[in-house]
Amino acid sequence: NAGVTQTPKFQVLKTGQSMTLQCAQDMNHEYMSWYRQDPGMGLRLIHYSVGAGITDQGEVPNGYNVSRSTTEDFPLRLLSAAPSQTSVYFCATRQGDGNEQFFGPGTRLTVL
Amino acid sequence: EDQVTQSPEALRLQEGESSSLNCSYTVSGLRGLFWYRQDPGKGPEFLFTLYSAGEEKEKERLKATLTKKESFLHITAPKPEDSATYLCAVQAGGNEKLTFGTGTRLTIIP
Repeated sequence: NAGVTQTPKFQVLKTGQSMTLQCAQDMNHEYMSWYRQDPGMGLRLIHYSVGAGITDQGEVPNGYNVSRSTTEDFPLRLLSAAPSQTSVYFCATRQGDGNEQFFGPGTRLTVL
Repeated sequence: EDQVTQSPEALRLQEGESSSLNCSYTVSGLRGLFWYRQDPGKGPEFLFTLYSAGEEKEKERLKATLTKKESFLHITAPKPEDSATYLCAVQAGGNEKLTFGTGTRLTIIP
């Protein structure tokens, strides 16, 4: 039981490049979310999904796309990377409203 | 707008010296208040969920309490392995978003 896994662990991009951050879970949780964590700021919600085929925007969605074709996977796509997207990205899952979220180990992204 | 403020930003304690971390919040209809622990370079690790004022939960040396305006994380006789950043977050009813505070960085000195 791996829980929540994220790949890659580290990534360096040049401005304008695109990439996909992967997130997978084996807990059969309905809800999956993407957060970013920046120094001096709390974790902020980018996009979330309440089930396969259903996604919605969070607090800071601009510049990111998501899709959810299966319960297990929730990839985050950066369309055209910008230095402002330099951050640590966390995927999280939970089962049911009001329940605790379980976080992955994170992806540290640097955009030059 | 939901808001979470954590204090202090950083706290250094001697091993065995008990203390409390504060999480003040404003939210429209609290669905849940969550405490997480985060070690450097890792994802947040779930500790507690509190749902209503007066509720308390304990786990080893940690005890979380909740009022209508704030939550406290009490640490009793801490050990060096309790050193971490402790995050507080709230969820409003009918809202997927968790609003996080910026955390308290706790250091326990042997």
